[in-house]
This record gives sequence, C-alpha cells and structure tokens, in this order.
Amino acid sequence: EAQVTQNPRYLITVTGKKLTVTCSQNMNHEYMSWYRQDPGLGLRQIYYSMNVEVTDKGDVPEGYKVSRKEKRNFPLILESPSPNQTSLYFCASSHGQGAVETEAFFGQGTRLTVV
Amino acid sequence: QKEVEQNSGPLSVPEGAIASLNCTYSDRGSQSFFWYRQYSGKSPELIMFIYSNGDKEDGRFTAQLNKASQYVSLLIRDSQPSDSATYLCAGPYNTDKLIFGTGTRLQVFP
Repeated sequence: EAQVTQNPRYLITVTGKKLTVTCSQNMNHEYMSWYRQDPGLGLRQIYYSMNVEVTDKGDVPEGYKVSRKEKRNFPLILESPSPNQTSLYFCASSHGQGAVETEAFFGQGTRLTVV
Repeated sequence: QKEVEQNSGPLSVPEGAIASLNCTYSDRGSQSFFWYRQYSGKSPELIMFIYSNGDKEDGRFTAQLNKASQYVSLLIRDSQPSDSATYLCAGPYNTDKLIFGTGTRLQVFP
C-alpha cells in the first residue's frame, strides 16, 4: 500500500529534550516536506527536500532541522524543543521535483506537546 | 508574502444542497490550485486540482478557477453529512512550495 508513515503519532516531551519525528514514504517520491498545523494558522511549511541531500527552508524553519540521506526518509529533528513548538505535524511527499504539479500525500500526523 | 485566503467558516448547509467554498490568492503567476479535505484529527487528502481557467468536474465536485479575479472555488453538489470537514485550498509559491489557506469548515446537517 502506498503510504507516508510518521512516528510517533503522539508525543509529550519536556522543554529542551531533543527529539526526532520520523517520516518514511514507499512511493519513490522525490519531493518531501514537513508542515505544522495550528488553529487559525493553517498548514505552514517547515522544511522541504526536492531530492536526496537537497533540503531548503520553508516558512517557519526556526527551531527545526531535517536531513535527507535516503530518498524514502525525511526525519524532523527538534534539537531543543520549546512550548511554542507544540503543534500537529504532517510529513508529505509528492512525485517530481516540485510541490506544485502533483498530489501531495500526507502522513497520519504527529501531535507533539512540549511542556 | 504570497497568500492564499479562505473564510474560516463554519459554512452550514442542509443535506442535499450545494456547498460553495471560496479561495482567493495573491500571486498572479500561480498556475495550479488544489483542494484538500481534512476530517477532524486526520491528514489532508486531495479532492480536486485545477490548472486552467474555467470549471473542472469530478463526480459531485466542481472546481472553478478565475485567474483574472485570482479566485478559486469548490462546489459540492448534493452535500452529504459525510462531507462535513475542513476544506483547504492550496496554491503554488514559485515552483517548489505549496501555500495553504487556513481552511473552511463545512457542516452539512441532515
């Protein structure tokens, strides 16, 4: 089954404790991205990657890191989480070099709470 | 900052009616738009995409794009309670980003 898999689905952590949210897709998609979704603000892009070893900042990259060592995986790293990073996070992938021509497939979401 | 704007709603329509969801965008160069549906607590899923001016129909859904007015809409005919969800409009920013609107919540009541 074609899918984007995120883990964990739910996470409660404390301020400053490094964490990683994993994302994996099995569709051989070139393009992957991370979004956060907050009430009233919609989906905002954090980082994106157009292919292996190519990553770039989205609209809200502060406090996040990503890596793209393999085509299928695109982990999101919070080196020192803070309460303002409490949010619902989605990983997405799509075919091709851009995000604007083909359907984006979203993972199930990760609800992160930083206390 | 390129923007995609939607009314947050809720838009309430009776079962069987036509629901009309609207979206405006600021980037005149935008060529394609997407409508995603998101049920509460779930991930967005693609409903429609449209690349050219005019209408595009798929079952009960019709997307309309008016580039001159920078306006995109989604019509849902014969609305069902199962259509109750948040509908997200998304448009391109340059060639490598999608900008999402904040979404319109649709409620279809029996």
